[in-house]
Amino acid sequence: GQNIDQPTEMTATEGAIVQINCTYQTSGFNGLFWYQQHAGEAPTFLSYNVLDGLEEKGRFSSFLSRSKGYSYLLLKELQMKDSASYLCAPMNQAGTALIFGKGTTLSVSS
Amino acid sequence: ETGVTQTPRHLVMGMTNKKSLKCEQHLGHNAMYWYKQSAKKPLELMFVYSLEERVENNSVPSRFSPECPNSSHLFLHLHTLQPEDSALYLCASSGTSGRSSYNEQFFGPGTRLTVL
Repeated sequence: GQNIDQPTEMTATEGAIVQINCTYQTSGFNGLFWYQQHAGEAPTFLSYNVLDGLEEKGRFSSFLSRSKGYSYLLLKELQMKDSASYLCAPMNQAGTALIFGKGTTLSVSS
Repeated sequence: ETGVTQTPRHLVMGMTNKKSLKCEQHLGHNAMYWYKQSAKKPLELMFVYSLEERVENNSVPSRFSPECPNSSHLFLHLHTLQPEDSALYLCASSGTSGRSSYNEQFFGPGTRLTVL
């Protein structure tokens, strides 16, 4: 079966660092994507990991451990505009489909 | 502007109506997708087209009928829907082009569908 597990909600304050964890079980694996979705808007691409390790992109970093079926998204220097849902999405073996989790709703307060 | 447009943005229909959702991508991609997003549920993949051929169909009821006439356009034809089909329907595209570094999917703004 396929299962993606993320915390439902997280809260943090401006300027802080937050780590959003994701564990996954999929039949086949071809990389893992993180997307950001603001309320009422389309998801937008944040990061992609296919090999183990950390990918850094500005204030956002993403980590992958394939052997553990684990990834996290690290957000630094949080801003109010970072309040959104963050979606963890492994890709299937064939590379034809993303399997989305329910997402983590992050609320950033001042 | 994500390069993927969807029309209409909002749609209200009765259970006996027939309507179509349209998606158009301007990114030169070769794969297009339909997703359903219901409240409190994960994004659910409905259909995948690659090079205009359907490659994934995730057990979607036949009241949803996709059509991909060319690599830039994707339709979702709706007929005799149920109230539980009310959701946000998102289109996405992907492919190797100058804008895609990792074959990531680019999403359209979605169509908010309400079935009465």
